[in-house]
Amino acid sequence: QVQLQESGPGLVKPSETLSLTCAVSGSSIRSGYYWGWIRQPPGKGLEWIGSVFHSGSTYYNPSLKSRVTISVDTSKNQFSLKLSSVTAADTAVYYCARAPTGGSYKLDYWGQGTLVTVSS
Amino acid sequence: QSALTQPASVSGSPGQSITISCTGTSSDVGNYNYVSWYQQHPGKAPKLMIYEISNRPSGVSNRFSGSKSGNTASLTISGLQAEDEADYYCSSYTSSTTFVVFGGGTKLTVL
Repeated sequence: QVQLQESGPGLVKPSETLSLTCAVSGSSIRSGYYWGWIRQPPGKGLEWIGSVFHSGSTYYNPSLKSRVTISVDTSKNQFSLKLSSVTAADTAVYYCARAPTGGSYKLDYWGQGTLVTVSS
Repeated sequence: QSALTQPASVSGSPGQSITISCTGTSSDVGNYNYVSWYQQHPGKAPKLMIYEISNRPSGVSNRFSGSKSGNTASLTISGLQAEDEADYYCSSYTSSTTFVVFGGGTKLTVL
């Protein structure tokens, strides 16, 4: 079955870059899906960060666009998130998820999430 | 990019039906049928419950149904069960970002 697994540091210092990777199994990164990142600050709602197609085409939340880079590594069947110049406001559980192409924009598979805390 | 508007909380007794609304604009809910609903239990990842307004993924109970009128989409849960107690989020395609925007979330309490 399809599984997504986030990995990366759980603690990042202010002003540094947050880096996370999502390993995908049971589904090829090269197939017809968008691969995305969503975050959820403690006790708050979901926020879409951005998505990437296997070709490298990206779509970013305008409020984060200047600090976000999402990329794919087809050789490892994984995709990554980099968020620069982080502050305490970026503390959140970060989820990776899959969305089929073809127009539904449904996020049908999610990773379990990983908590990233921004603190010195 | 403004979030879609959902009530902060709703409640109902076992066996009853409840409806959660999700209000957007003509840039998202109003002009596109790409509304999804997610269920999130505490400490867990969101789970897709409804997509494209009213379609249920395989394995989701038919007690969950969706609809849309104008700029507002709705999720109805009938025959409430204790296990339905969770947070529910709507999302919609938005032409603002050419991807998705989420609602603020609704906490469902089963009395």
